Amino acid sequence: DQQVKQNSPSLSVQEGRISILNCDYTNSMFDYFLWYKKYPAEGPTFLISISSIKDKNEDGRFTVFLNKSAKHLSLHIVPSQPGDSAVYFCALYSGGGADGLTFGKGTHLIIQP
Amino acid sequence: EAGVAQSPRYKIIEKRQSVAFWCNPISGHATLYWYQQILGQGPKLLIQFQNNGVVDDSQLPKDRFSAERLKGVDSTLKIQPAKLEDSAVYLCASSPLAGVGEQFFGPGTRLTVL
Repeated sequence: DQQVKQNSPSLSVQEGRISILNCDYTNSMFDYFLWYKKYPAEGPTFLISISSIKDKNEDGRFTVFLNKSAKHLSLHIVPSQPGDSAVYFCALYSGGGADGLTFGKGTHLIIQP
Repeated sequence: EAGVAQSPRYKIIEKRQSVAFWCNPISGHATLYWYQQILGQGPKLLIQFQNNGVVDDSQLPKDRFSAERLKGVDSTLKIQPAKLEDSAVYLCASSPLAGVGEQFFGPGTRLTVL
């Protein structure tokens, strides 16, 4: 069973517009949420994170929103740039002694000129 | 600061053969993770080390996979014997401390089992 769902395998957005990537989870034990970006043939790189005690975190063009009651988080990128074309993973942490991340399947974002 | 290093970058083997992957984490990082990423999926945690001790290996197929982190620095992940379904990218990540926080990933080793 999938604990973390990214239902859009791909998303195409025009350069300069807003990109919105979504992530849903089922386990309410998750309490820290991260977004990673991955280019081909490279490892994932950290983008932005949010704690469960917050509902929004902003870093430059990137904003993450968390709706705990809906078990939903989203990543907004505005304005979208060609270099943003990549696969985006949401990754969730549930605490406890082990702190491996649980990843979604990823969304391939394509920024069109 | 140098990133997480992994080798080899690519490996092709036949089923039932054995293979080993090597990871050198960022200097000073106490926690090291191995993830398996099958095509079209997100990374899945296989094992987590804190220094040279295992914290979590609940998703490691222990009948064929083994991992060690001697001296709390470098780590190796071994598969013996390999199966077709082991074809994946094997990612190593490290973080300075256990718990919440960013994990730094290496470029991965792409394994193809024929």
